[in-house]
Amino acid sequence: IAGITQAPTSQILAAGRRMTLRCTQDMRHNAMYWYRQDLGLGLRLIHYSNTAGTTGKGEVPDGYSVSRANTDDFPLTLASAVPSQTSVYFCASRMNRENNSPLHFGNGTRLTVT
Amino acid sequence: KNQVEQSPQSLIILEGKNCTLQCNYTVSPFSNLRWYKQDTGRGPVSLTIMTFSENTKSNGRYTATLDADTKQSSLHITASQLSDSASYICVVTWDTDKLIFGTGTRLQVFP
Repeated sequence: IAGITQAPTSQILAAGRRMTLRCTQDMRHNAMYWYRQDLGLGLRLIHYSNTAGTTGKGEVPDGYSVSRANTDDFPLTLASAVPSQTSVYFCASRMNRENNSPLHFGNGTRLTVT
Repeated sequence: KNQVEQSPQSLIILEGKNCTLQCNYTVSPFSNLRWYKQDTGRGPVSLTIMTFSENTKSNGRYTATLDADTKQSSLHITASQLSDSASYICVVTWDTDKLIFGTGTRLQVFP
C-alpha cells in the first residue's frame, strides 16, 4: 500500500544522545515535511523539503536537522536530545508545495527524552 | 497574526447523534481550508477541502461549510458512529503554500 513509513514507532532516549527518525514515502511526492505534535498545541513545522536536494526551516527548527538526498527519504536528526524534544513526530508529504493536494502523514514516532 | 482556533476542545456524544465542530481563522491571504481526521495513534487523514468559492461540501456523513466573509468553517457529522471517535483538525493554507494547524477537537462517541 502506497504511503509514508516512519521508524521507529516509539523510542526512549537519554538526554544528550543522538537520534535519527526515519521517513520514507513511495508516492513520488516532491514536498516532504516534519512536524511535532504536543498536547494542547497544533502540529508545528520543524523542517521541510520542497524537492530532493533542498531543505528549509519551519516554525521550530532549533535542535533538529534534516537531509533530502533523494525523493523518497527525509530523515530527521536530533544531534543532542533534550527533554523538551519529548513529543510525537509526524512525517508528511504532498505532490508539490503549491497545489491543493492533501498532506499524507505517517503514523508518527513517539519520542521520550529522559 | 495568522491564527486558527477550533471549538470545542472536546466533545462527547452518543452514537447516532449529530454534532458540529467549529473552526475560526484569521489568515490572509486565504488559499483553502482542509479538515483532517486523526485517529488515536495514527497520522491525520484528509476529509475534505474548502476553497474560497465553496460554501458546502459533503463526504458521506461529513459536511463541511465555509463562510469566507466571517472566516468560519464548520464540520457537521451526521448519525455519528463509534468509529467517528477521533481528533478533527482544521488546517488553513495561506499565501499559496503555508499551512496553519488548529489544535483540534477531540470527539468521543459512546454507545
